[in-house]
Amino acid sequence: GQQLNQSPQSMFIQEGEDVSMNCTSSSIFNTWLWYKQDPGEGPVLLIALYKAGELTSNGRLTAQFGITRKDSFLNISASIPSDVGIYFCAGKETSGSRLTFGEGTQLTVNP
Amino acid sequence: KAGVTQTPRYLIKTRGQQVTLSCSPISGHRSVSWYQQTPGQGLQFLFEYFSETQRNKGNFPGRFSGRQFSNSRSEMNVSTLELGDSALYLCASSLSDTQYFGPGTRLTVL
Repeated sequence: GQQLNQSPQSMFIQEGEDVSMNCTSSSIFNTWLWYKQDPGEGPVLLIALYKAGELTSNGRLTAQFGITRKDSFLNISASIPSDVGIYFCAGKETSGSRLTFGEGTQLTVNP
Repeated sequence: KAGVTQTPRYLIKTRGQQVTLSCSPISGHRSVSWYQQTPGQGLQFLFEYFSETQRNKGNFPGRFSGRQFSNSRSEMNVSTLELGDSALYLCASSLSDTQYFGPGTRLTVL
């Protein structure tokens, strides 16, 4: 089945630093989504990518859909304490709505 | 627009019991998907419903079932609960390719 490898598993950074995380897949996806999840809550959509090579920003967040359609990355610039949480990538194939999730990146921001 | 809502938010059951969880999608969204989230397995797809029909199914035993009503609201049912069913159950609604998640139902099986 589909496998999504997300790295790093965890990051400890200082406030103001930039952050980068990425996901790679063994198969091709047609949509890449990035979510953030706070403890006890559902994932909140950050950025959606629909085309290979697409680069999309949402405030301090930037994500790209890899040219091979097997990878994606998320950058967070000038991190702030409220960026703390778990970030997930998710890929979707053409048919249906099944999302395959990465293992998540736990981000800690020290003030 | 109101987001995805799930009820109840927390539930405690004992082994062998059955449970029903409810999800109301974003208004106008016809697709509802369910996911199970555990520390060990992460987020795993359970099934998807569209226009009252199951369109896609993950690799879960038959104890896990669902349905969707004509107003797009969905329920999932787990029968004969096992300790390993303790998890956060998430519902997501979508109009096209983007899925929006609810806050989840935290199920604890004792």
